Amino acid sequence: AQSVTQLDSQVPVFEEAPVELRCNYSSSVSVYLFWYVQYPNQGLQLLLKYLSGSTLVKGINGFEAEFNKSQTSFHLRKPSVHISDTAEYFCAVRYGGATNKLIFGTGTLLAVQP
Amino acid sequence: GAGVSQSPSNKVTEKGKDVELRCDPISGHTALYWYRQSLGQGLEFLIYFQGNSAPDKSGLPSDRFSAERTGGSVSTLTIQRTQQEDSAVYLCASSLGRGSTEAFFGQGTRLTVV
Repeated sequence: AQSVTQLDSQVPVFEEAPVELRCNYSSSVSVYLFWYVQYPNQGLQLLLKYLSGSTLVKGINGFEAEFNKSQTSFHLRKPSVHISDTAEYFCAVRYGGATNKLIFGTGTLLAVQP
Repeated sequence: GAGVSQSPSNKVTEKGKDVELRCDPISGHTALYWYRQSLGQGLEFLIYFQGNSAPDKSGLPSDRFSAERTGGSVSTLTIQRTQQEDSAVYLCASSLGRGSTEAFFGQGTRLTVV
C-alpha cells in the first residue's frame, strides 16, 4: 500500500542547533515529494518539493531536503534553527499513476527552545 | 480572492445533525482534495476529484460522508448524522491537475460535534 512515514512525532531542539526531520515513503517507480509546514493556528504552506533532477532541493526559510531513492527517504534539514521555526511539518508524496492523490505523513512537531 | 476558500471557518453542531462544508478552489485548478486533520492524527485523506473523472473516494471513513463537486469548481463535503468522533479540522486543497504540481490549502473548517 502507498504510505508515508514520519517516525518522529515531536523533535525538541535548541535554538541555533541543526535539525533533521525524517520521512520515508513506500517504494514506487514514480514519486513526487513535498514538505509542508503548518505554523500555529495557520494553514499549510509548501516548504519545498522534489519533482526531478538534483536530489538536493532547497526551500524557504533555509530548509533543504534530500531525495534518496535507494532508501526511499526525503529527510528535511536545517543547519541552524530559530524559535520561529516552531511548527508542525508534514511530508507528502504524490505517486504517479491513475489516481495521483497526495498522501501525507502524520506530521512532526518541531519545538525550538531558547 | 486568489487562494482556496473554505466556509464556514468554524461549525458547532449537535450530535446526529447533518453538516455541509464548502470549498472554493483556486480558479483553473482541476484537482480538488479533502482531508481531515485530527489532533495527533496528521492529515487523513478523504476524497480526491480530478477534472471530469470519477472521484477517488477511498478515504471516506463511512457512508455518512459524501462529497460532490459541481461544475468542476465548488465542492461540498456532507457529513450525515454527525458523531463526536467527526470533530476535526476539515481541509480542502486544490492543484492544477495531474502530475507534479503542488496543492494549495484553504484555512480549514473546524467542526465540533457536541
